[in-house]
Amino acid sequence: QQQVKQSPQSLIVQKGGISIINCAYENTAFDYFPWYQQFPGKGPALLIAIRPDVSEKKEGRFTISFNKSAKQFSLHIMDSQPGDSATYFCAARRGSEDNDMRFGAGTRLTVKP
Amino acid sequence: DAGVIQSPRHEVTEMGQEVTLRCKPISGHNSLFWYRQTMMRGLELLIYFNNNVPIDDSGMPEDRFSAKMPNASFSTLKIQPSEPRDSAVYFCASSARTSGYNEQFFGPGTRLTVL
Repeated sequence: QQQVKQSPQSLIVQKGGISIINCAYENTAFDYFPWYQQFPGKGPALLIAIRPDVSEKKEGRFTISFNKSAKQFSLHIMDSQPGDSATYFCAARRGSEDNDMRFGAGTRLTVKP
Repeated sequence: DAGVIQSPRHEVTEMGQEVTLRCKPISGHNSLFWYRQTMMRGLELLIYFNNNVPIDDSGMPEDRFSAKMPNASFSTLKIQPSEPRDSAVYFCASSARTSGYNEQFFGPGTRLTVL
């Protein structure tokens, strides 16, 4: 059963713009929320992750915003670059449960030059 | 440092044939995961090993699927007999299970096409 809903399915942004991808989860036991970046022909790679004890985490141009009460979290990519074009997956799991990672359906981001 | 290694990268086979996918996890990692990725269902966990022991195989779709991990550096996922609906990208991932939040490192995947 899908426990993490991700939107939009696809996103086109101009170079220099802000890309925003949203996710919502159902299981309040989840306490670890990673985002993965996947390029064509490659496996997903961890981009950035957040735990619910903070509302925001920033790493370079990538920021996760987390709203625990709404059970929502989002990825913001500032100053989007063509090299950011990839598929992005949000995920959620209970930190100690390695085998219980639930992935969103993915967002295909295209950054136009 | 080599990441997770999977072989073959592409496999095309005919319905009814046996397919074996291979994975070499990152050295020192003690957890291994097999995932399947399709457009319809996204990323799904098939099976999870810890210290070479299958811990959770609830995601294995049918008896046609089997997975083994004979040692810490090698795992196989076998489909016998294969069916067209098995066509997908299969990923192997590994992690170093500790008491904290363990990052999973994914291999490049095997794209399986069953005709």
